[in-house]
Amino acid sequence: AQSVTQLDSQVPVFEEAPVELRCNYSSSVSVYLFWYVQYPNQGLQLLLKYLSGSTLVKGINGFEAEFNKSQTSFHLRKPSVHISDTAEYFCAVRDRLDDKIIFGKGTRLHILP
Amino acid sequence: ETGVTQSPTHLIKTRGQQVTLRCSSQSGHNTVSWYQQALGQGPQFIFQYYREEENGRGNFPPRFSGLQFPNYSSELNVNALELDDSALYLCASSLANDEQYFGPGTRLTVT
Repeated sequence: AQSVTQLDSQVPVFEEAPVELRCNYSSSVSVYLFWYVQYPNQGLQLLLKYLSGSTLVKGINGFEAEFNKSQTSFHLRKPSVHISDTAEYFCAVRDRLDDKIIFGKGTRLHILP
Repeated sequence: ETGVTQSPTHLIKTRGQQVTLRCSSQSGHNTVSWYQQALGQGPQFIFQYYREEENGRGNFPPRFSGLQFPNYSSELNVNALELDDSALYLCASSLANDEQYFGPGTRLTVT
């Protein structure tokens, strides 16, 4: 069975500082990996996805993530955060042969002025 | 291109009642997935409909049921509501196994 672990429930970071949100997954099969963002009182928006190919994936709003198969990780990074990045971030995995997406519990990114 | 819409935005029900939530999929999409997001948690997969047939189900009891219509819109029905059913219900539409696009959700409160 697949599972996703987001190691930090909250991450405070100063504006314009870099940030890394950590995500580890477990799966016995090949998977697709995703990061979603959820702004207050809104649905989920896809930030980026890894399907195959290059392990460094670039997404919207200046975010990127690196797929590390040996460490089963898919950490999300941004070199300089902005106050508008305040949101909940969800890492997710999907079996290549299945349709359901398994989400982590989320990491709340709190930008400090 | 119209995005995924859900109705109502929020509602309050009493324990034991029944509720129907609605989702209109994005134009051209034939697949709808439903998720439950409890407070402080990530979304959990309830089930998926593809071309009006259930195409996968998560670990939810039978009192959670659904429908997909010929225009690919969908309903989520929950019978015999329990307090723990209070959550944000998200639907997502896609074209088969392609990327899922999420609606804004329906917040259900059960008292």
